[in-house]
Parts: sequence; C-alpha cells; structure tokens
Amino acid sequence: QQPVQSPQAVILREGEDAVINCSSSKALYSVHWYRQKHGEAPVFLMILLKGGEQKGHEKISASFNEKKQQSSLYLTASQLSYSGTYFCGTVYYNNNDMRFGAGTRLTVKP
Amino acid sequence: NAGVTQTPKFQVLKTGQSMTLQCAQDMNHNSMYWYRQDPGMGLRLIYYSASEGTTDKGEVPNGYNVSRLNKREFSLRLESAAPSQTSVYFCASSVPGHTNQPQHFGDGTRLSIL
Repeated sequence: QQPVQSPQAVILREGEDAVINCSSSKALYSVHWYRQKHGEAPVFLMILLKGGEQKGHEKISASFNEKKQQSSLYLTASQLSYSGTYFCGTVYYNNNDMRFGAGTRLTVKP
Repeated sequence: NAGVTQTPKFQVLKTGQSMTLQCAQDMNHNSMYWYRQDPGMGLRLIYYSASEGTTDKGEVPNGYNVSRLNKREFSLRLESAAPSQTSVYFCASSVPGHTNQPQHFGDGTRLSIL
C-alpha cells in the first residue's frame, strides 16, 4: 500500500526544473508532500485533496490526478535550498492512516 | 517556539533492554503520531492518538506500546528491544483530521540496538 515515488534521485543545476511523481495502486483521498533535509525533521509543504486541484508553495507546486491515482510535485527555477528528500504521503478512502513513499533525493548544485 | 520536542536525541541499547521515547508538543494539537524511518523505506506509522485518551495501531505496531499521557505528551515504549528496531523515530502532531491537516514533526530520536 506504500505509494511509489519516481525518480529515486535527481541532480539539478540552480535554475533548472524538476518533477517528482507519486503513484498509488488504490484510490486516493488526499496527498501530502514533505521535504526533509539531511539529519532534520520532515517539513510540511502542501496537501492536495481530491478534485485535481493544484497548489503552490514558493516556486513549488503540485497537482493531484484522482483518476490516475497520482500526484506530481513541480519545482521550477530550483534554488540551492530546495535540496533534500521529498516524500509524498497518501491517504486512502476508508483508512485512518497515511502511507509515505520511499522518497526522492533532490540535489541542487550551483 | 518549541513545537514538537523529542527526548532523547540519541540512544544505544542492548538487545532485550527496554526504553521509553518521550514526545511533547506545545501547539495544542489533539492528534499525535509515532513513525519510524529506515533507509529506503520512508516513514512508517507505528501508532497514533487521534485525541487524548485514544490510541490506534498504525502500519508497524509490533514490538511497541504507546501512552497518551495527556494532551501534550505521547510516549513510545520498547519493552524488549531487538536489532530490527534500530531506526530513527519521529513524533508528529496535528490538529484533528490528519487526513487533510499538516503534521508537524519533532527532530527525531536516533536509536541503535546492539
């Protein structure tokens, strides 16, 4: 029931864009996105509820395609501070807990 | 502005020893959670407490017990530690309705069991 994230890792230069995907085999109620820097706690980025809505946080936005059971995180004009591991957390209908993906390690280089 | 505070930050145990990890939040949140994080596995929910006085099992509860001491505090106990429980443990809290509310995490407890 753990969602599948792709890619596992990505390396960017400052100013480049990236997309991180989160796919589920079950129907999703909501998707959470968190960022974790090495040795630190995960930090909340955004939540997407059913309806295909798109949300933004700084130059980071996300979409949620309920039909395809997936969410994508878009990082545009990446900055050094975007480096870290990004996790999606999925909540399923008729379920009370959240399942996290294995994470996508993003490295932004000067 | 402390947020979620976990103690201790590091601990080494021998197999069979017991230990309690402490978590306290000062955000007046009703819901609290315990996760473990292993390399390549993301975060896995051990137990959660939707509100004071209630606790529920998560994805990986075996080998653990929890106590919701009051609204602020939620502790995790390992009765007889095993090497497979070597991990980083995170406590988190949120307002009620964790399915559509952000979770706020503590800095983690790094636990090694020899």
